Amino acid sequence: DQQVKQNSPSLSVQEGRISILNCDYTNSMFDYFLWYKKYPAEGPTFLISISSIKDKNEDGRFTVFLNKSAKHLSLHIVPSQPGDSAVYFCAASPNSGNTPLVFGKGTRLSVIA
Amino acid sequence: NAGVTQTPKFRVLKTGQSMTLLCAQDMNHEYMYWYRQDPGMGLRLIHYSVGEGTTAKGEVPDGYNVSRLKKQNFLLGLESAAPSQTSVYFCASSYGGQAYEQYFGPGTRLTVT
Repeated sequence: DQQVKQNSPSLSVQEGRISILNCDYTNSMFDYFLWYKKYPAEGPTFLISISSIKDKNEDGRFTVFLNKSAKHLSLHIVPSQPGDSAVYFCAASPNSGNTPLVFGKGTRLSVIA
Repeated sequence: NAGVTQTPKFRVLKTGQSMTLLCAQDMNHEYMYWYRQDPGMGLRLIHYSVGEGTTAKGEVPDGYNVSRLKKQNFLLGLESAAPSQTSVYFCASSYGGQAYEQYFGPGTRLTVT
């Protein structure tokens, strides 16, 4: 049973436009969420995170929105650049105990010049 | 700082052979993790460790063993490799659990024939 779901395996966006990547979760105990970015032949790298006490966190071109009632979060990239083309993983964890992160299956973003 | 390093980068095994993957981190992190990534499956946790001398099972631990004899190293062993273990393996480390970001190594591509 997937606790973290990324229902879109892939997404194509024109350069300069907004990219919106979505993530849904089922476990109501999750209260910390992260996005990772992965280029081919490299390990994932941390991009941005959000705690459940917030509904928005912004870092430059990247903004993560959290809707706790809907158990949904989204990553907005604006403006999108060709270098943003990568696989994006959503991850979640409860903020207590030693339970590791649970990752979604990822969404492949292609930004077309 | 080298961050997280993995040895080897590539390996081909025959069914039934054994091997050990080495992960090393120089960030003095307490937590270390082993993941496998398969097409369409995202990152799945194999085993993890919350400190030197400790190990715990993740989502897909069968067929693997791990050891954390030194804080900076986390070893993943395959006792009798199977074609189903063909995958890309990533090691990661973090200062703590949950709210702390994980730093990933570059990956090891393993093929079992």
